[in-house]
This record gives sequence, C-alpha cells and structure tokens, in this order.
Amino acid sequence: AQKVTQAQTEISVVEKEDVTLDCVYETRDTTYYLFWYKQPPSGELVFLIRRNSFDEQNEISGRYSWNFQKSTSSFNFTITASQVVDSAVYFCALSEKGNSGGYQKVTFGTGTKLQVIP
Amino acid sequence: DSGVTQTPKHLITATGQRVTLRCSPRSGDLSVYWYQQSLDQGLQFLIQYYNGEERAKGNILERFSAQQFPDLHSELNLSSLELGDSALYFCASSAARDNPYGYTFGSGTRLTVV
Repeated sequence: AQKVTQAQTEISVVEKEDVTLDCVYETRDTTYYLFWYKQPPSGELVFLIRRNSFDEQNEISGRYSWNFQKSTSSFNFTITASQVVDSAVYFCALSEKGNSGGYQKVTFGTGTKLQVIP
Repeated sequence: DSGVTQTPKHLITATGQRVTLRCSPRSGDLSVYWYQQSLDQGLQFLIQYYNGEERAKGNILERFSAQQFPDLHSELNLSSLELGDSALYFCASSAARDNPYGYTFGSGTRLTVV
C-alpha cells in the first residue's frame, strides 16, 4: 500500500521568510514517482514538480527547491523568501504501478496549508 | 487555463437527486481521471478512462458512474446523492494510458448537497 504523510497541517510565516513543507512517503515499489501540487484559494490544482525514484538530485526552480532523500523516504519542498502569493494548500503525491501494470493512481497527502503574512 | 474544462463550476442540489459533471480533456489527451476532494477524505482517486474504456478504478461508490465518449469528453454521474457527497470534484487528463508523469487538472466542480 502506498501512503503519503504531510504532518504539517498549517504553517504561517511572515513574508520573506523561508519555509519548508515536509513530505514522507511509504511504498514497496522500487520505481515510483513523487509530485508536488499547489492549490491556491481559487481551488485549482497546479502541478509544480515531478521526481522519479531513480533521480535523487535536488532541484531548484526560482524560489522553490525540492530535497528528495530515498534513505528517509522524504520529498521536502522549500520556498525561499516567501511571498503572499505563495499562500495556498500544497499537496505531496505518490504514484506507483497499480495492479494493471500502469501508474493510474496517484495518492495524495492531506496537504499543508501555508499562510504568508505580509 | 490548464486546458482541461469542467462544467459546471458550482452545483447545488438536494439529497436523493442525480447530477452529471462534465469534463473535456486537454487537446490530444486520451486519458481522463476523476478525483473527489472532501474535507474528511482529502483527494481520492475515483476512476480513469483511456480512449473510451475504463482503465482503473479507485474509491468510487456504486452510486457513482462515469463514461468517456468518442470525442473523449467524460461525464461523472452521481445518483441518490447524500450530504456526504458534497465535495470538490476534479477531472484531470494526460496523453498516455499509463502515466507516471502527473496530470493536468481542471478547475473542479464544487458540489453542494443540501
């Protein structure tokens, strides 16, 4: 069974502070994919990043960075110099092969609500 | 605009009723996925269709059904509605049948059952 845990339910930071959102996953597969999605107050789900289980390189995209560590089954997300527009719910997600052999099902964590205070 | 279109955006209906949610995938995408986001269950995978055929099933209730039409749009039918069915229903699409690369989500349909 696959499981994604986002232990932080809500985080509040003051603008320009750095913030890290934690994600811990469980899977028995050796091949799997991890994702982060953003859900702003408007409600849509916005894809941020994908990482496969064989690629442990950390990634940086502007103010966003991701730290993938297989040894601790974690895929953490850091926002540097946070801005009010970063206020949203962030979901970590995991995809592994289903019974039919494909990656149909993506399991989402419960999300972390980030509030950036001006 | 993600390219995935969901209608209607909001729906209010009474218990016991039946509703249909519609999704048009991104141009060229053959797979459609339905997800339910509720306060107590979080984001739950319901079902996937690929090129008109059911590909995978998740936590979809028997009162719910879906189909994908030849033009690739999909409909999610919810019947005998209960208060607990109130949720945000997302449709997502991808090009491939088995896609580990993530989806493109629509903006969702917010269903309120009163």
